[in-house]
Amino acid sequence: GAGVSQSPRYKVAKRGQDVALRCDPISGHVSLFWYQQALGQGPEFLTYFQNEAQLDKSGLPSDRFFAERPEGSVSTLKIQRTQQEDSAVYLCASSLDRHQPQHFGDGTRLSIL
Amino acid sequence: DAKTTQPPSMDCAEGRAANLPCNHSTISGNEYVYWYRQIHSQGPQYIIHGLKNNETNEMASLIITEDRKSSTLILPHATLRDTAVYYCIVRASGGSQGNLIFGKGTKLSVKP
Repeated sequence: GAGVSQSPRYKVAKRGQDVALRCDPISGHVSLFWYQQALGQGPEFLTYFQNEAQLDKSGLPSDRFFAERPEGSVSTLKIQRTQQEDSAVYLCASSLDRHQPQHFGDGTRLSIL
Repeated sequence: DAKTTQPPSMDCAEGRAANLPCNHSTISGNEYVYWYRQIHSQGPQYIIHGLKNNETNEMASLIITEDRKSSTLILPHATLRDTAVYYCIVRASGGSQGNLIFGKGTKLSVKP
């Protein structure tokens, strides 16, 4: 389909391992957002890209979280030295520009053991 | 913190209209009202947005009060597939911030 695609759909990692989560936005969408959703809560903003530029990373919870979008299309969210509190669903959204409605992928459910 | 207040849950009979309220008493003049919904195990889905006029699309209608301090999302003929958490979000039209601030939303259960 032409929607936002995220992979993997599920990821299980041991505490201390590094993980990488991928987001393929809708083609042509300039803006890309990452959100974290804890169980029973609404999504919370992590970071925002306009093309390849990371314009806002104020929501990243610690320096263990790192995101990139080197060619202005696919984005990767990396979490280093994972901890149990990192367990959540990580959602990616894209939009034509930051003012337009955002289209979300179905997320990656990350479980840290 | 979210700038909106929604009831935590609502029930609706299949085939009837679902009216979901949202209070946003501190909304600013340049802030839009957005509605998203999230079906279990899926990402949020955009439904509709508006500034001051009522809006309608193929999914729903959005009624905004004249003072803009509250709004109602209307699903005219709810189906079982409309069971989801519905989020009301206010968002500025300009500025550098484009991210959405979600609250806890309203869990709508459509029952046969």
